[in-house]
Parts: sequence; C-alpha cells; structure tokens
Amino acid sequence: DVKVTQSSRYLVKRTGEKVFLECVQDMDHENMFWYRQDPGLGLRLIYFSYDVKMKEKGDIPEGYSVSREKKERFSLILESASTNQTSMYLCASSAFDRMNTEAFFGQGTRLTVV
Amino acid sequence: AQTVTQSQPEMSVQEAETVTLSCTYDTSESDYYLFWYKQPPSRQMILVIRQEAYKQQNATENRFSVNFQKAAKSFSLKISDSQLGDAAMYFCAYRPYTGNQFYFGTGTSLTVIP
Repeated sequence: DVKVTQSSRYLVKRTGEKVFLECVQDMDHENMFWYRQDPGLGLRLIYFSYDVKMKEKGDIPEGYSVSREKKERFSLILESASTNQTSMYLCASSAFDRMNTEAFFGQGTRLTVV
Repeated sequence: AQTVTQSQPEMSVQEAETVTLSCTYDTSESDYYLFWYKQPPSRQMILVIRQEAYKQQNATENRFSVNFQKAAKSFSLKISDSQLGDAAMYFCAYRPYTGNQFYFGTGTSLTVIP
C-alpha cells in the first residue's frame, strides 16, 4: 500500500513560532504537494514539488515555504505562525506516469495557532 | 485556468437509496483525468473512482459510478445502495494529461440517514 505519512495529527503553536510540518511518502513518487483545507474553500494548493530541490508556488504560498532535500520527504514551513494559518494541512504525493495518475494523501495535520 | 465546481455543499440520502453528486469543470484541454475522492470524518482522503477523458465508457467501482459528459464538462458521482459508511466529504478533482497539478472542487458533505 502507498503510504503518505504526516508527522503530526494535531499541533498547537504560538503566534510567531517557526513551524515545521513533515511529510514522507514510500512509493518513490516524483510529485509532492501541500494543501490547506478550510470549510467551504476545499483544498487550496500551497506549494508542490516535482523533483528533489524543485518547488513551485501554488495558489496561496504567502507565509509558507517548503523544502525537499530528499525525494521521499517534503516539508512545509511556517516562518512565523499567525492565527490565520490555523487550518487543516494535507500532504499528497503522485507519480508522473500515465498508469498511476491519482494523488495519495496523508492523514492531515490540524494546526492551531494561538 | 482549470476550475472545478461542486455546486452542492451538502447532500443527504436515506440508507439504501441512491444519490448523485454533481461536478463541473472548466478546461481547454482535450485529454485529462477526473477523480472523486472521499474524506470520512477520520480525515484520510481516499480515491473513490477515476475517469480518463479519452475513455467514453463511464467508470464503475462497485456501488460507485460516474456520469461523464465530456462536451458538457460534467462529471457526476452516483452512489447506489447508500450505506452509513458512505457519509463523508466528497471532492471532485481534475488533473491535466501532461501536468502534475490537481485541481479540487470545494467538496460536498454527504449525510446518510438511517
């Protein structure tokens, strides 16, 4: 089974803290994604990466950065957490081929910034 | 830009009945992939069904089937013989044939009434 694992299910951080959300996949997928999920807004793409050390901005990159030093790991960084970053964060991965087209998701991290 | 629209924020269905969730999308591409994902209260997003745009035959997975209308850019999900375990958020998603990104709708919350 494909596994995408996020380091925490629940996280509470203080305003101004630097926050790291980690994601690891075990299927040698080229693509990895970070989404933010808010009620009524669906999934909004923050960043994605199609290769090691490569990254592309999504729809809402402001206030976030990412790191992909190894193929299996994609980290989301909140440089200085703010209360409006309280949300559900979903990591996903996918292959880059015509036979395996879907995204696989982690279990999500519920981040609360106080 | 590709957009995916789910116009039904909430739906309900009686157990054992059939329900149809709607999805429309906007694209200028001729080849692409469409997906329905399910997110139960446990939060793990899982793939329900996938459709390749070049295939005219509608995809089916057990009690789940789609009605893919390419000219109308419509991709609805039909759930037959609804079960309590079908209660979840359902997201429609689009992926271009040659792209890496996924585009998600805002989701439909399905309630199954015993």
